[in-house]
Amino acid sequence: EIVLTQSPGTLSLSPGERATLSCRASQSVASIYLAWYQQKRGQAPRLLISGASSRATGIPERFSGSGSGTDFTLTISRLEPEDLAVYYCQQYGTSPWTFGQGTKVEIK
Amino acid sequence: QVQLQGSGPRLVKPSQTLSLTCSVYGASVNRGLYAWTWIRQPAGKGLEWIGHIYTSGSTDYNPSLKSRVSMSLDTSNNQFALTLNSMTAADTAVYFCAGGSRYDGSHLWDQGSMVTVS
Repeated sequence: EIVLTQSPGTLSLSPGERATLSCRASQSVASIYLAWYQQKRGQAPRLLISGASSRATGIPERFSGSGSGTDFTLTISRLEPEDLAVYYCQQYGTSPWTFGQGTKVEIK
Repeated sequence: QVQLQGSGPRLVKPSQTLSLTCSVYGASVNRGLYAWTWIRQPAGKGLEWIGHIYTSGSTDYNPSLKSRVSMSLDTSNNQFALTLNSMTAADTAVYFCAGGSRYDGSHLWDQGSMVTVS
């Protein structure tokens, strides 16, 4: 099983700041099969990024994904108050599909 | 616009079987190379992949649940279903159904169904 470890656990930043979220895999993940999701309190997750770097339909340009192999990054270029959420990475290339434990983004 | 709607009992007794269905609106469950997925989330915790069923009917399950889980596709009603038997308190969670292309992640989600085992 591929274990995904996300860091930091919590990120507290001010509006307009840049947020960098990390997802490290216990073994190599094909980039095409790495996704990022945003989950706001009380809601279902929303797909932000698939294939490590492709924004899903309707996702603002301030969200971007990068990385390959075992290290992947989600960047929010300028934080907005509505970006308050927990962010999960997921690999869906190797069974069992797995999620990271999540990074909580707080807005100061 | 494609939407998913999950349905099923919200309260299950220990040792009983949970049966959930997910109705797909605005698209066919037969659309090519799609994975119809079940994911759960205990209160205050992260996401756990339960498994998925492809439009071909082939399935893939989380090894930790494999002995208790089954998924099926109902093309006549445009639904897919989850069965999880021998339920315990540890299975109490919000259960999400989701869908998406095999290569693009899960971009379709329902609102989630809170299932309590008690």
